[in-house]
Amino acid sequence: GQQVMQIPQYQHVQEGEDFTTYCNSSTTLSNIQWYKQRPGGHPVFLIQLVKSGEVKKQKRLTFQFGEAKKNSSLHITATQTTDVGTYFCAGRRAGNNRKLIWGLGTSLAVNP
Amino acid sequence: EPEVTQTPSHQVTQMGQEVILRCVPISNHLYFYWYRQILGQKVEFLVSFYNNEISEKSEIFDDQFSVERPDGSNFTLKIRSTKLEDSAMYFCASSEAGGVYNSPLHFGNGTRLTVT
Repeated sequence: GQQVMQIPQYQHVQEGEDFTTYCNSSTTLSNIQWYKQRPGGHPVFLIQLVKSGEVKKQKRLTFQFGEAKKNSSLHITATQTTDVGTYFCAGRRAGNNRKLIWGLGTSLAVNP
Repeated sequence: EPEVTQTPSHQVTQMGQEVILRCVPISNHLYFYWYRQILGQKVEFLVSFYNNEISEKSEIFDDQFSVERPDGSNFTLKIRSTKLEDSAMYFCASSEAGGVYNSPLHFGNGTRLTVT
């Protein structure tokens, strides 16, 4: 079945360092969403990417959607302790637009 | 800001018992979902619900699971005969109907189900 692979599974950084998580799909996606889950919390929607090659920014966060619409990345510049949590990508397969296929998530720990 | 609410926050039950998890989706949303997350693991899709019927379900959502929208506001997940492996955090989510293919999911705070 379709899979969305997300790497790395865990990342430990010093505050101020950059962080990137990557999401790769075995099939072309119609769109991809990113969510953040704080420890003990629920997933919270961050952003959606729809267009091939799309890049969106939210302050220190930069989201990219690959040209082939099979991969995506989230980059955080100069991490802060408030960035701690698990970042999930979730993609909708092209032609099947209801069920989101979730990645396993990348857990980010930030040392102050 | 409107939010999805779930009750109870924590449910402890004995193996074999029935449980009902309750959710109140955001009022103008028409698509509803149940997800579960075993501690520290991935978010697993269970079922989506639209127009008073299941629109999609996963292989996890077998005959022991059912969903219902008993009135205009509540959306429930029933597990008929709980197993130890059903212990997890269960998240309800909802999304707008308009532009549903691009709508973000709004999650509730979850119900932690512990089966003993």
